[in-house]
Amino acid sequence: EAGVAQSPRYKIIEKRQSVAFWCNPISGHATLYWYQQILGQGPKLLIQFQNNGVVDDSQLPKDRFSAERLKGVDSTLKIQPAKLEDSAVYLCASSLGTGNSWDTEAFFGQGTRLTVV
Amino acid sequence: AQSVSQHNHHVILSEAASLELGCNYSYGGTVNLFWYVQYPGQHLQLLLKYFSGDPLVKGIKGFEAEFIKSKFSFNLRKPSVQWSDTAEYFCAVRGAAGNKLTFGGGTRVLVKP
Repeated sequence: EAGVAQSPRYKIIEKRQSVAFWCNPISGHATLYWYQQILGQGPKLLIQFQNNGVVDDSQLPKDRFSAERLKGVDSTLKIQPAKLEDSAVYLCASSLGTGNSWDTEAFFGQGTRLTVV
Repeated sequence: AQSVSQHNHHVILSEAASLELGCNYSYGGTVNLFWYVQYPGQHLQLLLKYFSGDPLVKGIKGFEAEFIKSKFSFNLRKPSVQWSDTAEYFCAVRGAAGNKLTFGGGTRVLVKP
């Protein structure tokens, strides 16, 4: 079974530039998560999708971050403009998680390491 | 709002020592509980999970965890660690409402050979 695919693996940008990350979840997984993991901290949920609808985006800095999952499959996360404090690993995860099978585990991708200079 | 607290940020052990990592969560309803591990340079991997039933769950590589509902705890244990258990360990909770998966801050474990 193919895992969660993310690209790029690494990205270095200057502050105020924009950047986009891409995620392709495991086939058939309804729930998709984007997390931000700052060095030395646990992953922080940015946004959660159920199919193509947003379930939770309470911790997404909406003035600069946006995410979409238009066809309910792959997803993109964008930062515009980037700040120094956005330097982190951005993790995508997916789970089967539908209404009748919410109790399934989340599978994580390798992440994208973003450095803002 | 649900939250997860991991008591220790860093743990240093010698091989063959026993390991116990604490995890407490706050959520009033039905939960799923997880321990994930991140080995150096690798992505997050599931170590074990609790959904329902027997509160003592066994995972991969000899790890186990006990769900104590009255204490809102889900502590991870391993009787005898190996050098290869050097990693960062994350406890996570998902509440039934909303399916939101929340992580603790992680515990870095260093096992000395």
